[in-house]
Amino acid sequence: DVQMTQSPSSLSASVGDRVTITCRASQRIYTYLNWYQQKPGKAPKLLIYAASSLQTGVPSRFSGSGSGADFTLTISSLQSEDFATYYCQQTYITPQITFGGGTKVEIK
Amino acid sequence: VQLVESGGGLVQPGGSLRLSCAASGFTFSTYEMNWVRQVPGKGLEWVSYISSGGSPIFYADAVKGRFTISRDNAKNTLYLQMNSLRAEDTAVYYCVRADYSESSGYYWGHWGQGSLVTVSS
Repeated sequence: DVQMTQSPSSLSASVGDRVTITCRASQRIYTYLNWYQQKPGKAPKLLIYAASSLQTGVPSRFSGSGSGADFTLTISSLQSEDFATYYCQQTYITPQITFGGGTKVEIK
Repeated sequence: VQLVESGGGLVQPGGSLRLSCAASGFTFSTYEMNWVRQVPGKGLEWVSYISSGGSPIFYADAVKGRFTISRDNAKNTLYLQMNSLRAEDTAVYYCVRADYSESSGYYWGHWGQGSLVTVSS
């Protein structure tokens, strides 16, 4: 299975901050990388697919970049509704799709 | 698009449970589907996949031989039969629609609300 490693596992930030979350795959996965946001008690929500494509309806302050094995999710100006846990997901090796361990974004 | 899971609950170790996922708002028979689970407070784990027509089917090693995924395209419903349940199967189970394009690969844009399965004596 492809191992996905996210960092940091948690971070504290203030409204308006620029936030960057990284995800590293244990092998090359090209751009088969998606990002999800999950709030407590809710299902994950797709933010970014194919490493850098913004899902319909997702605010443009979210962006994704990277290819190969290293990827980044950036929130350009953190809003109060962005406090949540974020997961990366590889879909290069299927059906054994795997997720990163998550990054919890908390209020400073 | 709506995916609504049901069938979760409390079951003893060694017991069985069947989850259902009722799909609406899209042509269910043309989409591949997955079950994903999440231990409360922990990360996401893929459990099982089924193609649009019902074959092929795949399972995570942790559930192989104990869980069975199936679908009824006439009823727009996805199922997960869980047998020989263990404490470590305790989790919220989500049904997820698989979207796919050749350039983007798979991405999961539609999830159910989740169904909690608790395995405990």
